Amino acid sequence: DTAVSQTPKYLVTQMGNDKSIKCEQNLGHDTMYWYKQDSKKFLKIMFSYNNKELIINETVPNRFSPKSPDKAHLNLHINSLELGDSAVYFCASSQGGGGIAQHFGDGTRLSIL
Amino acid sequence: GESVGLHLPTLSVQEGDNSIINCAYSNSASDYFIWYKQESGKGPQFIIDIRSNMDKRQGQRVTVLLNKTVKHLSLQIAATQPGDSAVYFCAESYGGYQKVTFGIGTKLQVIP
Repeated sequence: DTAVSQTPKYLVTQMGNDKSIKCEQNLGHDTMYWYKQDSKKFLKIMFSYNNKELIINETVPNRFSPKSPDKAHLNLHINSLELGDSAVYFCASSQGGGGIAQHFGDGTRLSIL
Repeated sequence: GESVGLHLPTLSVQEGDNSIINCAYSNSASDYFIWYKQESGKGPQFIIDIRSNMDKRQGQRVTVLLNKTVKHLSLQIAATQPGDSAVYFCAESYGGYQKVTFGIGTKLQVIP
């Protein structure tokens, strides 16, 4: 059973398009996250939700909009995709916050043409 | 072998040797530290954590050392195996916030 699952695994699209990445966790955790990992493997937090409420919103363009329909799901919608959005996006979850050990999905590799 | 540095360095060790991966963290107020392992094509995986009131913690074949004076964290892997080949990240957080700051990873290559 996959604990944190993201779909799709690969996403190739044209600049200017709008796309969504879905994330689901079956661990019963109350906190979920989105991270962006660039080509140099640098991992940076984008958003964090606790019980469907936005807790962390780092300096991310407002083209990125997270949505949490329930505490088991955190989706990421991206409008007007740009070349610089090409990266691997990771979803993660944890029980509680405070940086406690997070469980990560296997990532969505987004490539902008 | 040992590794230092802020750019993704590569540490090559012989199978069976011990590995030491180093990390310099940035926030003196950080009170919780975690090591993650990321295999190719996978997400980071929790290895071990340590709170700031400790200076050493041991797991299975892994030991984390924390030196708050110089803001330094290290991960020691005993008897390194081919399955240990991955990129290793240290991460820090403080207070009751969910924000975790990841360091720049170290790539560990195990030579059979």
